[in-house]
Amino acid sequence: NAGVTQTPKFRVLKTGQSMTLLCAQDMNHEYMYWYRQDPGMGLRLIHYSVGEGTTAKGEVPDGYNVSRLKKQNFLLGLESAAPSQTSVYFCASSLRGGSGANVLTFGAGSRLTVL
Amino acid sequence: AQSVTQLGSHVSVSEGALVLLRCNYSSSVPPYLFWYVQYPNQGLQLLLKYTSAATLVKGINGFEAEFKKSETSFHLTKPSAHMSDAAEYFCAVTTTSGYSTLTFGKGTMLLVSP
Repeated sequence: NAGVTQTPKFRVLKTGQSMTLLCAQDMNHEYMYWYRQDPGMGLRLIHYSVGEGTTAKGEVPDGYNVSRLKKQNFLLGLESAAPSQTSVYFCASSLRGGSGANVLTFGAGSRLTVL
Repeated sequence: AQSVTQLGSHVSVSEGALVLLRCNYSSSVPPYLFWYVQYPNQGLQLLLKYTSAATLVKGINGFEAEFKKSETSFHLTKPSAHMSDAAEYFCAVTTTSGYSTLTFGKGTMLLVSP
């Protein structure tokens, strides 16, 4: 049972380069999320999806785009990376939202450094 | 809008001592509250959750938390700390609204000394 898998685990980019982080879940969860974690800031929600084909902005969406073409996958894209996007990115999924069932399952994280 | 405040970015205890990690929430509707733990270089794992069934919630690894509406608090406790409890702990809140997402606190790093 893989749970939530993120690729890649590590990546170094130069300013202005683009990249995509892939998140895959095998639990048939409806909701998927992308968070970033920075020291002293906790986890901040970037974008989320409440089902296949849907996306919504979170707390810090600027500079990122997402897509959810298949229920099991949630992609996070950086079109033109900036040093401020150096962070650890976590993908998570949940059966649904807004209830006690909203227990998130997290991936192991993707560490991105932008030079 | 909902928010969570965790008091103390770092808490240090000795092995065997009481662990108390503080969390206060703000929510305009009845909240659901969670504690997650993150071990070094790993993702977050659920410790326990409050969903209005009982105010005292027991979780994994001997942790428990008590929901106090009058104090808008959901503090995490453990009677006796183990070295293996050293990790970062996050309190989080969501609500009963349809598309409500989880809002996390900034985290508290628990340091356990022998």
